[in-house]
Amino acid sequence: ETGVTQTPRHLVMGMTNKKSLKCEQHLGHNAMYWYKQSAKKPLELMFVYNFKEQTENNSVPSRFSPECPNSSHLFLHLHTLQPEDSALYLCASSLQTLANYNEQFFGPGTRLTVL
Amino acid sequence: AQKVTQAQTEISVVEKEDVTLDCVYETRDTTYYLFWYKQPPSGELVFLIRRNSFDEQNEISGRYSWNFQKSTSSFNFTITASQVVDSAVYFCALSDYLNYGGSQGNLIFGKGTKLSVKP
Repeated sequence: ETGVTQTPRHLVMGMTNKKSLKCEQHLGHNAMYWYKQSAKKPLELMFVYNFKEQTENNSVPSRFSPECPNSSHLFLHLHTLQPEDSALYLCASSLQTLANYNEQFFGPGTRLTVL
Repeated sequence: AQKVTQAQTEISVVEKEDVTLDCVYETRDTTYYLFWYKQPPSGELVFLIRRNSFDEQNEISGRYSWNFQKSTSSFNFTITASQVVDSAVYFCALSDYLNYGGSQGNLIFGKGTKLSVKP
């Protein structure tokens, strides 16, 4: 596999379920990101991991819990979600250096529906 | 505060027409980066271009061209001779060079412009 992959591509869950989204990057990058894209709002940055350390948590509710076990994998654990959490969840990665800004590469997203 | 405005919510053109997507940004930083991404119906955001604030040269890549003007804080994107495959949502984004923590700034996206190219 190449680039950034995300699984599952589609997920339907009830409000009491617990599920996890998975992201994997095969680009040798050192930073990974979770974004939320809903119909009514622009792309919202949720979490940033740089060298496996969380460097950004954009006031995301605790029902979303990220995990980054290594620089190639990123998870988003979901529990007791609300219907308004239904959205496309996008993962991205980039190579962060101090010398230059490098673009983020995105995965195909997970379309989440909360019933 | 940083902000990106894409005033055109939806644009519809007929194949072979030229189309320009507008992007206006706000930032207090003197060093920053601007980006365009394409999101086809499949959902994946595809990187198109990165431009840093020191480089105001316009860029052309095939049928795509970008016009960066610091004086008007704009970074517009033109597709020449549009094709049906160009139909997608296009996002403009802004990032500062480094945040105070020493890591790279995060992307601030506009709301996107949905382009429909009809045969």
